[in-house]
Amino acid sequence: DTEVTQTPKHLVMGMTNKKSLKCEQHMGHRAMYWYKQKAKKPPELMFVYSYEKLSINESVPSRFSPECPNSSLLNLHLHALQPEDSALYLCASSQGQGVSGELFFGEGSRLTVL
Amino acid sequence: QQQVKQSPQSLIVQKGGIPIINCAYENTAFDYFPWYQQFPGKGPALLIAIRPDVSEKKEGRFTISFNKSAKQFSLHIMDSQPGDSATYFCAASRVLNGQNFVFGPGTRLSVLP
Repeated sequence: DTEVTQTPKHLVMGMTNKKSLKCEQHMGHRAMYWYKQKAKKPPELMFVYSYEKLSINESVPSRFSPECPNSSLLNLHLHALQPEDSALYLCASSQGQGVSGELFFGEGSRLTVL
Repeated sequence: QQQVKQSPQSLIVQKGGIPIINCAYENTAFDYFPWYQQFPGKGPALLIAIRPDVSEKKEGRFTISFNKSAKQFSLHIMDSQPGDSATYFCAASRVLNGQNFVFGPGTRLSVLP
């Protein structure tokens, strides 16, 4: 199984809503990532979890709150978002720090903030 | 120093042509250079990757050429097909800090039938 599964595929929310994006992998990877991708742009790193601990936060606003309940799951909690936060949110995983290998991306969650 | 430059921004070739996408980096600590392919509405998928101890790597119709002294690497697609039409991102990372993949800005490739 070489998949990263993301749900939901599409999400529309108002600026006062609270929602969550979910990500799951069963490849035994120990690093998991959230990326944000705007149209015609490369993925932009938001957070990295290594061995279930937050290791990188790329100065992301607090309205985005990551959570890693276990080594297979990664959540991104959303609250009080702005219309400019509308984007494709990609989850990815890799074997971990110090191990050369690919990033496995999910298909993304397309978020629209009204 | 963390930036990866990529050109061209877009590329149109005829079926059977050989599109070439170029990338350049500054940070000599980078030691892993992947190329990702992304179709509309999908996440990026690894196409091919190279380490700096080799100058060329080929997988099927895809070839990476790597010039360590120039800090440049490129992707060649042989016998391109309409199904290769996608956005291609080069990236770079350091194995010991493997969590930080720096992506190039991307190249939109269109292969005409």
